[in-house]
Amino acid sequence: QVQLQESGPGLVKPSETLSLTCTVSGGSINGFYWSWIRQPPGMGLHWIGHVYYTGSTNYNPSLGRRVAISMDTSKRQFSLNLSSVTAADTAVYFCARVSLSGYPEYYDHWGQGTLVIVAS
Amino acid sequence: QSVLTQPPSASGTPGQRVTISCSASGSNFGNNYVYWYQQLPGAAPKLVIYRNSQRPSGVPDRFSGSKSGTSASLAISGLRSEDEANYYCAAWDDSLRGVFGGGTKLTVL
Repeated sequence: QVQLQESGPGLVKPSETLSLTCTVSGGSINGFYWSWIRQPPGMGLHWIGHVYYTGSTNYNPSLGRRVAISMDTSKRQFSLNLSSVTAADTAVYFCARVSLSGYPEYYDHWGQGTLVIVAS
Repeated sequence: QSVLTQPPSASGTPGQRVTISCSASGSNFGNNYVYWYQQLPGAAPKLVIYRNSQRPSGVPDRFSGSKSGTSASLAISGLRSEDEANYYCAAWDDSLRGVFGGGTKLTVL
């Protein structure tokens, strides 16, 4: 079955770059969008962006040029880089797969989430 | 900018029927579908309704969804204690960007 697992530092200093990787096991990489979603403590879900298996990307405009998502199909991984972080970027970060039917549909597989704290 | 608005909280007693609304505003949404996710404490969200009213396999038929114009609703009938969770509506805008509602905390009294 399809499983996703986030990995990366749990603590990042302000102004530095947050880097996370999501490793996909089972299923196909091709034909799906691969997303990052975050959830600040006690708050709701926020879509960060996604990468198509071809490498094309789409991002939440609220994050401006700070965000970049990339795909490495040979490693079955996709990654998130968020630069110039502040305390407001403290959140649980989820990776997720988006099912497609000619159009993005729903998130059908999720990682367990990883808490990233931004603090000095 | 596309926005989905949900009430912050909802509640009901066991056996009751509760509904959670989701109102869309701002720029156009993409495929006119709304999706609903249930998030239990400490867990990743789980899909409970897709394409406005379709139920994934394994989701009890107590869960139902509907959509009319720019408003969607999730209904849970025969409320049970295990339904206590946060519920989020979601959609795609016409630029294929994901949008989530602010979430509704459902309390079973």
